[in-house]
Amino acid sequence: DQQVKQNSPSLSVQEGRISILNCDYTNSMFDYFLWYKKYPAEGPTFLISISSIKDKNEDGRFTVFLNKSAKHLSLHIVPSQPGDSAVYFCAASVLGGGSNYKLTFGKGTLLTVNP
Amino acid sequence: DTAVSQTPKYLVTQMGNDKSIKCEQNLGHDTMYWYKQDSKKFLKIMFSYNNKELIINETVPNRFSPKSPDKAHLNLHINSLELGDSAVYFCASSQGRGYFYGYTFGSGTRLTVV
Repeated sequence: DQQVKQNSPSLSVQEGRISILNCDYTNSMFDYFLWYKKYPAEGPTFLISISSIKDKNEDGRFTVFLNKSAKHLSLHIVPSQPGDSAVYFCAASVLGGGSNYKLTFGKGTLLTVNP
Repeated sequence: DTAVSQTPKYLVTQMGNDKSIKCEQNLGHDTMYWYKQDSKKFLKIMFSYNNKELIINETVPNRFSPKSPDKAHLNLHINSLELGDSAVYFCASSQGRGYFYGYTFGSGTRLTVV
């Protein structure tokens, strides 16, 4: 049962344009969301997060938007750069989940930014 | 200076063997994890330790046994390896739940069982 879904396995954009990566979730208990970036042969790297009390969080070129009613979040990268080419994972957790420190990950979206 | 280091990076072994993967973090974090990325690319939690105490033990076969001798180390021992154990295993660490700074992952151990 996929509780976190990234329905686009890949996305290709031109350098300088906007990249929009999407993520949907089914578990209404999730209240904290994170994006990770992964290069080949490396572990995922934390990028940005958002809690359910917000609908937007921005960090430099990266902005995450959360639509709780639609159970949908997106990561915007503006402007996209070739170095952004990587697999992007969406992850979710329950902030108030007691001792449960578990993150549930999506399958990832491969972003390719073309020069 | 690697923050979360896993050894070995690659491991090829025969079915039925017992193997261990080691993980060490030098970030001073109090929580460590093992995640498995299977052929379908999902990253799934296996175990989590907080201050050497096991706090997450997902539905994982008994053949998998984590060991945390101290806060900086979390090793994974696998008995009687099966073909289906082939995957990439990632170790990670965080301070508390890692919500504000995320987890720091190691670079992974690619296990191939033949």
